[in-house]
Amino acid sequence: NAGVTQTPKFQVLKTGQSMTLQCAQDMNHEYMSWYRQDPGMGLRLIHYSVGAGITDQGEVPNGYNVSRSTTEDFPLRLLSAAPSQTSVYFCASSYSRLADYYEQYFGPGTRLTVT
Amino acid sequence: RKEVEQDPGPFNVPEGATVAFNCTYSNSASQSFFWYRQDCRKEPKLLMSVYSSGNEDGRFTAQLNRASQYISLLIRDSKLSDSATYLCVAAGYGGSQGNLIFGKGTKLSVKP
Repeated sequence: NAGVTQTPKFQVLKTGQSMTLQCAQDMNHEYMSWYRQDPGMGLRLIHYSVGAGITDQGEVPNGYNVSRSTTEDFPLRLLSAAPSQTSVYFCASSYSRLADYYEQYFGPGTRLTVT
Repeated sequence: RKEVEQDPGPFNVPEGATVAFNCTYSNSASQSFFWYRQDCRKEPKLLMSVYSSGNEDGRFTAQLNRASQYISLLIRDSKLSDSATYLCVAAGYGGSQGNLIFGKGTKLSVKP
């Protein structure tokens, strides 16, 4: 199993550009989520999904969209990049939709810089 | 906002030392707790879950004190490879998902 994979590993965007961060898992996990991690801050939840076709907002959803058309994939779209979105983005999955009680498996992260 | 607070450190300890981290959480409704380990520029990985009765995994012991709303992690006989940031997580507020709250992490540096 590859686990949770994320692409790209690094990305530089100009303000106003849009892009999609890809996330895939091959563990048949129900729950998937996106976090951002900034210096001096804990991981903050952006969006999450408890199954295909179901998504919901986390703590910091503004400026981001998600969709979950398959169990495996959970892409994160930046609609119009802003310097405040410079961060490290982690995708995570958990085998149960009762994700609060089970291990989160994280992808390797995408380091995004917005200039 | 629900909070999880940790001492950011760094904790600089010699090999073989015993080191303890504490973490406090603000929401008494939290039902599940974890310690994750994060190496520099890597993703977090689960170190251990924290159970009400306390639990041990080799050199690592986790304790939960619900009355005082804190969680602890004890590392005995520290190894160089234990150098990392340790993230405290509180979750499970009942009902909705996506309620894992991560602390900012405590940095540990184990020196020869």
